[in-house]
Amino acid sequence: GAGVSQSPSNKVTEKGKDVELRCDPISGHTALYWYRQSLGQGLEFLIYFQGNSAPDKSGLPSDRFSAERTGGSVSTLTIQRTQQEDSAVYLCASSPVRTEAFFGQGTRLTVV
Amino acid sequence: AQSVSQHNHHVILSEAASLELGCNYSYGGTVNLFWYVQYPGQHLQLLLKYFSGDPLVKGIKGFEAEFIKSKFSFNLRKPSVQWSDTAEYFCAVIGYNFNKFYFGSGTKLNVKP
Repeated sequence: GAGVSQSPSNKVTEKGKDVELRCDPISGHTALYWYRQSLGQGLEFLIYFQGNSAPDKSGLPSDRFSAERTGGSVSTLTIQRTQQEDSAVYLCASSPVRTEAFFGQGTRLTVV
Repeated sequence: AQSVSQHNHHVILSEAASLELGCNYSYGGTVNLFWYVQYPGQHLQLLLKYFSGDPLVKGIKGFEAEFIKSKFSFNLRKPSVQWSDTAEYFCAVIGYNFNKFYFGSGTKLNVKP
């Protein structure tokens, strides 16, 4: 079956531009997570969705970051006015409920 | 806040050597425990998981892990590593009331042929 799909796989953007990252979770998975992985760092939690609601947004680094999920499925992470420190691999994962998380390939974001 | 500690950041082994990677977590309640692996250029994949029952769990590719509740540990082991095990390994925890998986900082394993 299809896994978690993320697009684009790579994104290079100029500082100050907005970017949208997309995640298609595994069908039927109610939980969806966004993490980011910077070079040499571990996984940093960003946001958790249960269905369409986001009970935990505590990891979003600033108000430039926002995310939504529609139809209990696709999620979009938006970063406004990108900064160089936003450069990282953004990972999306979906999960039935607190069982294992299935990860996508990630979106490598480079802000120049 | 909860935490997951992986004590070995970078491990270098020769093929056929035995492997043990440490993982400790801070939460005292019931948890689900995981080891993920990230091969070079690939996405994170589940290696093994523990929810309940036998504390010694076996995963893919000959890996196993032992849950020791009294030590809050979930160490990963493999009796004989192969060059193809070169990857980064992450320990992860999620508790009943958690809204996220807590990950350790990862251990990079380099197996020399």
